[in-house]
Amino acid sequence: DAGITQSPRYKITETGRQVTLMCHQTWSHSYMFWYRQDLGHGLRLIYYSAAADITDKGEVPDGYVVSRSKTENFPLTLESATRSQTSVYFCASRLAGLQETQYFGPGTRLLVL
Amino acid sequence: EDKVVQSPLSLVVHEGDTVTLNCSYEVTNFRSLLWYKQEKKAPTFLFMLTSSGIEKKSGRLSSILDKKELSSILNITATQTGDSAIYLCASGGGADGLTFGKGTHLIIQP
Repeated sequence: DAGITQSPRYKITETGRQVTLMCHQTWSHSYMFWYRQDLGHGLRLIYYSAAADITDKGEVPDGYVVSRSKTENFPLTLESATRSQTSVYFCASRLAGLQETQYFGPGTRLLVL
Repeated sequence: EDKVVQSPLSLVVHEGDTVTLNCSYEVTNFRSLLWYKQEKKAPTFLFMLTSSGIEKKSGRLSSILDKKELSSILNITATQTGDSAIYLCASGGGADGLTFGKGTHLIIQP
């Protein structure tokens, strides 16, 4: 049971480049989320998705794009990476309904030079 | 704007001590309060507390939700070095994501 996986686990890129972080879950969870974690800020929600083809902005969406053509995948794209997007990115998922427990992927550590 | 505040931000204790971590929340349409443990990797789920389940216990860890005070505590008794981690509190108010506090960095000294 793979659960929720993220790739790549580590990424170094340059300012201005496009980067896509992948997230895949095998639980058929309806909801999927992208967070970033930075020192001093904790975990902040970037985007979330309630189902395939349904996405919505979170607290810090600027500079990011998401899509969800299939229930199991939720890629996050940085269209033109900036140094301020250096962070650890976590994908999470949960069931629909009142159960709000989210399960996290292992994270992607992104460095933008 | 939803808000979750944790205290203390860091705590150093000795093995065997009991610790209490605090979390307060201001969340529109509150539904649940969750605790996670984060070691050098992804957060792992500990407890979820709701109006119908305001107290949870698992081994040496326990948590209580106080809906009047809009707060929660996480207790760890007989601490061990393996309890060293960042403990995250989060609150959920609906279909969107959780609002997290900044976490309490707990260090257990042998």
